[in-house]
Amino acid sequence: EAGVTQFPSHSVIEKGQTVTLRCDPISGHDNLYWYRRVMGKEIKFLLHFVKESKQDESGMPNNRFLAERTGGTYSTLKVQPAELEDSGVYFCASRELAGGYNEQFFGPGTRLTVL
Amino acid sequence: KQEVTQIPAALSVPEGENLVLNCSFTDSAIYNLQWFRQDPGKGLTSLLLIQSSQREQTSGRLNASLDKSSGRSTLYIAASQPGDSATYLCAVRGMKTSYDKVIFGPGTSLSVIP
Repeated sequence: EAGVTQFPSHSVIEKGQTVTLRCDPISGHDNLYWYRRVMGKEIKFLLHFVKESKQDESGMPNNRFLAERTGGTYSTLKVQPAELEDSGVYFCASRELAGGYNEQFFGPGTRLTVL
Repeated sequence: KQEVTQIPAALSVPEGENLVLNCSFTDSAIYNLQWFRQDPGKGLTSLLLIQSSQREQTSGRLNASLDKSSGRSTLYIAASQPGDSATYLCAVRGMKTSYDKVIFGPGTSLSVIP
């Protein structure tokens, strides 16, 4: 079974540009989460989808970040316009809907560098 | 609000030593606690997952314990090897609705010296 995949693995853009990160969860996982680790900080939660609905977006830093999950399958996280402080590693995770005790499976992350 | 701390922040040991990494969390209402490993420039590798009803989990040279009532977990690494050098992250998943996310600790950076 394929794990959580993320694309691209690394993105280098200039300040002010737009970048879109993609996450493909494990097939059948209704829960999808975005996290990020910026330089020197802990990994922080950004938001949580249940199918196509945003369940919790309390961690989104500002309105330059837009997450979508049309159709309840893959998700995209767009940063527009990107700022220097957005540099870091963006992780996606997914979890089955049924049961609260099951594990979140993390993807390999996308390393974003804003110059 | 759930907070996760890890001690020590950094640790350097000679090869072959046994070592313990510590994790503390403030809210005991958790589904599970997970230990991850992160190598420089790489993603997260899940090491051990302990459900809230469990006391410990073992995988090879790794043993993780959980004392939910006191809000503590330890990761024991036996006979450390240079390949164990990495950052070790502790993370909890809370039960309360607003906590349906994984809260990570800051990590312990481990260096095993040959």
